[in-house]
Amino acid sequence: ETGVTQTPRHLVMGMTNKKSLKCEQHLGHNAMYWYKQSAKKPLELMFVYNFKEQTENNSVPSRFSPECPNSSHLFLHLHTLQPEDSALYLCASSHTLGNEQFFGPGTRLTVL
Amino acid sequence: AQSVTQPDIHITVSEGASLELRCNYSYGATPYLFWYVQSPGQGLQLLLKYFSGDTLVQGIKGFEAEFKRSQSSFNLRKPSVHWSDAAEYFCAVGSYGGATNKLIFGTGTLLAVQP
Repeated sequence: ETGVTQTPRHLVMGMTNKKSLKCEQHLGHNAMYWYKQSAKKPLELMFVYNFKEQTENNSVPSRFSPECPNSSHLFLHLHTLQPEDSALYLCASSHTLGNEQFFGPGTRLTVL
Repeated sequence: AQSVTQPDIHITVSEGASLELRCNYSYGATPYLFWYVQSPGQGLQLLLKYFSGDTLVQGIKGFEAEFKRSQSSFNLRKPSVHWSDAAEYFCAVGSYGGATNKLIFGTGTLLAVQP
C-alpha cells in the first residue's frame, strides 16, 4: 500500500451505534489530520496530530473521539452520532515542515 | 484571519477550451498556496503548490497557476480542457512554521466539461 488509506470506504450506522474510522499513511509523515466534508460547505478541519500528540481540536463535539497510537495510524471513534454528522470524512498527512497534505479517499458516513 | 475565496461555485466549459478558476486569499504573511482536485467519491489530489520563487507554477495534468501578490490571487489555468478534468477544484492557503501545518480551504469550484 502506498499513500494514505482509509477504511471503511462506506459506513451506515444508527444513532446508538459505536463505530471507528481508520486511517493509515505509508509516507513517513509525522502529522495527521481529520477533516469533515459536507455538501456545499468548505472542508472543516476537525483534529490535528503531530508526532502522536493532538495539537488541534476544532471545537468538535465529544461524540467524535480521535486516537493516534503512532505517526502512521489515526482513528476516529464515533458514538451516538446525529444525522447531521453524515458526511465524507477525510484523513490527511504531511511531513511536519512541509505543509503539503496528502489525502486519503475518505469514508462516506451515513447516520440514520 | 486567513481565508480563501473561490467566487465561482460552478463553471461549465467546452472540451478543448481554455480554463481559468479564480482564487483569492487573505493572509498576513507570505502565503503557501495550493490547488487540489477532487473527483466524485474520492479524496483530494494535489495539483500544484506555491511556496516561494517563480510566481508561475506548473502542476500535474497540464495545469498551472500564477501567484499575484498585488491582487491576492492564485488562479488556476489550463489551456485546453479534457473531459476527464470534470471534478471539483479547491484552493487552499497554508500557514508555515510552528508545530503543525494548517490549511484553510475555499468552498470549491465544480467544473463541468461539455463535449
